[in-house]
Amino acid sequence: DVKVTQSSRYLVKRTGEKVFLECVQDMDHENMFWYRQDPGLGLRLIYFSYDVKMKEKGDIPEGYSVSREKKERFSLILESASTNQTSMYLCASSLYRYAEAFFGQGTRLTVV
Amino acid sequence: AQTVTQSQPEMSVQEAETVTLSCTYDTSESDYYLFWYKQPPSRQMILVIRQEAYKQQNATENRFSVNFQKAAKSFSLKISDSQLGDAAMYFCAYRSANTGNQFYFGTGTSLTVIP
Repeated sequence: DVKVTQSSRYLVKRTGEKVFLECVQDMDHENMFWYRQDPGLGLRLIYFSYDVKMKEKGDIPEGYSVSREKKERFSLILESASTNQTSMYLCASSLYRYAEAFFGQGTRLTVV
Repeated sequence: AQTVTQSQPEMSVQEAETVTLSCTYDTSESDYYLFWYKQPPSRQMILVIRQEAYKQQNATENRFSVNFQKAAKSFSLKISDSQLGDAAMYFCAYRSANTGNQFYFGTGTSLTVIP
């Protein structure tokens, strides 16, 4: 089975902190994604990566950056956390552009 | 950007009955893929069913089936013989076969199963 693992299920951080959310997949997938999930808004794409060191902005990249140094790992970075970044963050990966996405278990981030 | 609309924020169904969740999408493309995902309270999103736009036949997976109407840009999910474990948030998603790599998700439908 494909496994997508996010480093934390729950995180509490202070305003202004630099926050790292890590995601690892074990199936050699080219594509990896970071989504933000908020009630009533569905899933909104922050960034995606279609190969190592390649990244593209999604719909809401402001305040975020990403890193993909190895194929299996895709990190989301909140440069200076703010309270409006309190949300559920979902990582996903897919094998190729036509394939379905496999998701991690999500990280509930609270910024205080 | 493509848009995916789920017009039913909440639905409920009696156990063992059938329920249909609606999804419409807006695209000018002819080649794409559609998905239904389930997110139970445990939060892990799992794939329920997928449909390739070039296939006329509706996809089925056990108790789950879709009604894919390409001209109407409609992609509904039917759950037959509903079970308590079907209670979850359901998301419809679109992925282009040609442009970009991202998925476009609807806002979700929360399904309650009444015992």
